[in-house]
Amino acid sequence: EAQVTQNPRYLITVTGKKLTVTCSQNMNHEYMSWYRQDPGLGLRQIYYSMNVEVTDKGDVPEGYKVSRKEKRNFPLILESPSPNQTSLYFCASGSHARGTDTQYFGPGTRLTVL
Amino acid sequence: AQTVTQSQPEMSVQEAETVTLSCTYDTSESDYYLFWYKQPPSRQMILVIRQEAYKQQNATENRFSVNFQKAAKSFSLKISDSQLGDAAMYFCAYRRYAYTGTASKLTFGTGTRLQVTL
Repeated sequence: EAQVTQNPRYLITVTGKKLTVTCSQNMNHEYMSWYRQDPGLGLRQIYYSMNVEVTDKGDVPEGYKVSRKEKRNFPLILESPSPNQTSLYFCASGSHARGTDTQYFGPGTRLTVL
Repeated sequence: AQTVTQSQPEMSVQEAETVTLSCTYDTSESDYYLFWYKQPPSRQMILVIRQEAYKQQNATENRFSVNFQKAAKSFSLKISDSQLGDAAMYFCAYRRYAYTGTASKLTFGTGTRLQVTL
């Protein structure tokens, strides 16, 4: 089954404790991205990757890191989480080919930073 | 910068009736995509329908159809024969065509919560 998976689905942590949210896709997509969703703000892009070893900042990158060492994986790293990073996080992937380039989303990760 | 506006924070429709959700956007591009995503209580983002700006014909997916007015920069979603399972948050989204840098970003509206009543 074609899908984007994220782990963990729920996470409660404390300020300053490094954490990683994993994202994996099995559709051989070149493009992957992280979004955060906050009430009243819709979804905003954090980081994206056009392909392996190619990453760049989105609209709200402060406090986050990413890496793309393999095509299927795109982890989101919070080196020193703070309460303002409490949010719902989505990973998405898509291909570059026109006509099949719709982005598909993972199930989301609910993060709470105390 | 592109912006997407959903002016209806909440809508309500009776089961089996038709409802239209509004979306307007602002862009200087001529080639782009527009999407409607559904987010049920499970929080999963589910693609409902997609429209390519160069196509004049409005997209349709079963009970879901859009009214795409390119000149007016309007992209409304019509849900016919509404069902209880349609209750969700609906997000309108824009993406510029061409997978180059920030062109790949989806820009979302703030969402419309749809309630379906018996």
